Amino acid sequence: GNSVTQMEGPVTLSEEAFLTINCTYTATGYPSLFWYVQYPGEGLQLLLKATKADDKGSNKGFEATYRKETTSFHLEKGSVQVSDSAVYFCALRLRKGAGSYQLTFGKGTKLSVIP
Amino acid sequence: SAVISQKPSRDICQRGTSLTIQCQVDSQVTMMFWYRQQPGQSLTLIATANQGSEATYESGFVIDKFPISRPNLTFSTLTVSNMSPEDSSIYLCSATSGTQETQYFGPGTRLLVL
Repeated sequence: GNSVTQMEGPVTLSEEAFLTINCTYTATGYPSLFWYVQYPGEGLQLLLKATKADDKGSNKGFEATYRKETTSFHLEKGSVQVSDSAVYFCALRLRKGAGSYQLTFGKGTKLSVIP
Repeated sequence: SAVISQKPSRDICQRGTSLTIQCQVDSQVTMMFWYRQQPGQSLTLIATANQGSEATYESGFVIDKFPISRPNLTFSTLTVSNMSPEDSSIYLCSATSGTQETQYFGPGTRLLVL
């Protein structure tokens, strides 16, 4: 079956530190890959995506590269801010049937950035 | 993109009662979904809401417990029936449009069952 594995949290960093959140996947097929972010008390927001191998998704200083050879989509940011404190979800999307797709999520990684 | 709103944003309910959650999208979408996010957990798909027909439920979820309606392309409801404390979760509405390239999520409904 399809699955997404994220690094366990919580992750606590000081402001301006470098962030990496690891994500690997298992899929029967060729998925699109996503990172979603959930800020405290809010719903999920799409952070970035990549639809094919070697694509790099980027947004708000965050980046992730679709690595087919290692089945990975690690999230990185060079300098985190307190406002980046949130839960980050890695997800894959595959065709489920005729004209339909399904998202499979990882368990989420909670990031806390301290001043 | 699609902007999704949900009502209510949160509620506290007594066991044995039912709650209906509404989801409104600001544009016509092709697919609508309902997810559950239990405390500290990831998202689990409950069902796909089909316009004008019965929803398609995932394994472990049944229509009697989670009846869903989707009368048009922009609106859906999820009812949590005969609630128990185990139903305390965040319930999220989601939608895709066009090529289904991106899936958008509502802000969620935080439900606490006492």
